[in-house]
Amino acid sequence: AQKITQTQPGMFVQEKEAVTLDCTYDTSDPSYGLFWYKQPSSGEMIFLIYQGSYDQQNATEGRYSLNFQKARKSANLVISASQLGDSAMYFCAMREANTGNQFYFGTGTSLTVIP
Amino acid sequence: GAGVSQSPRYKVAKRGQDVALRCDPISGHVSLFWYQQALGQGPEFLTYFQNEAQLDKSGLPSDRFFAERPEGSVSTLKIQRTQQEDSAVYLCASSSGLLSYEQYFGPGTRLTVT
Repeated sequence: AQKITQTQPGMFVQEKEAVTLDCTYDTSDPSYGLFWYKQPSSGEMIFLIYQGSYDQQNATEGRYSLNFQKARKSANLVISASQLGDSAMYFCAMREANTGNQFYFGTGTSLTVIP
Repeated sequence: GAGVSQSPRYKVAKRGQDVALRCDPISGHVSLFWYQQALGQGPEFLTYFQNEAQLDKSGLPSDRFFAERPEGSVSTLKIQRTQQEDSAVYLCASSSGLLSYEQYFGPGTRLTVT
């Protein structure tokens, strides 16, 4: 089974609007971390936001917030007030306490911001 | 301060050739990771170093893949007898501590095997 599932290969959003990128995960480990990375066309992976499995509140970092629904095993990324520079690939990833070192990545969502 | 750097940025190899990919992590970073990213896919874990010790190599796809970090800083990923299915972007990442969740990625090396 896939550890991380991203079902939206491509998304479009109007500039200044909000957009939600979906991510579901699969783990039996009670302790894990969830991450979102942005990968622009230059190829570098840029860390955006982190959510720990025991965190009570949803993580927020500037215009990024993570909608964490533990029972549903979902960790959707919300980008508010989209900007043209947000156009990129977005990857959801998970790290389990038991496996420790491995990051499991999804297949990514390509976001295009329309002016 | 310098980030993670990788060289070469692009490499074209004929099938059967050996290649060596270099990663310079952020100075002082204990942990170093290698990932393989095929076209249209997310990165897949290859191997992990803590200082000079290779603690996890479970993601290496075959014994043609070998990684080292002899002095606990620069790392080299070597692929012997390259095959077409090895064509991918190879990403290196480093982090400052064992449990540090934030990994800093390099720009990657795009390997094309012809």
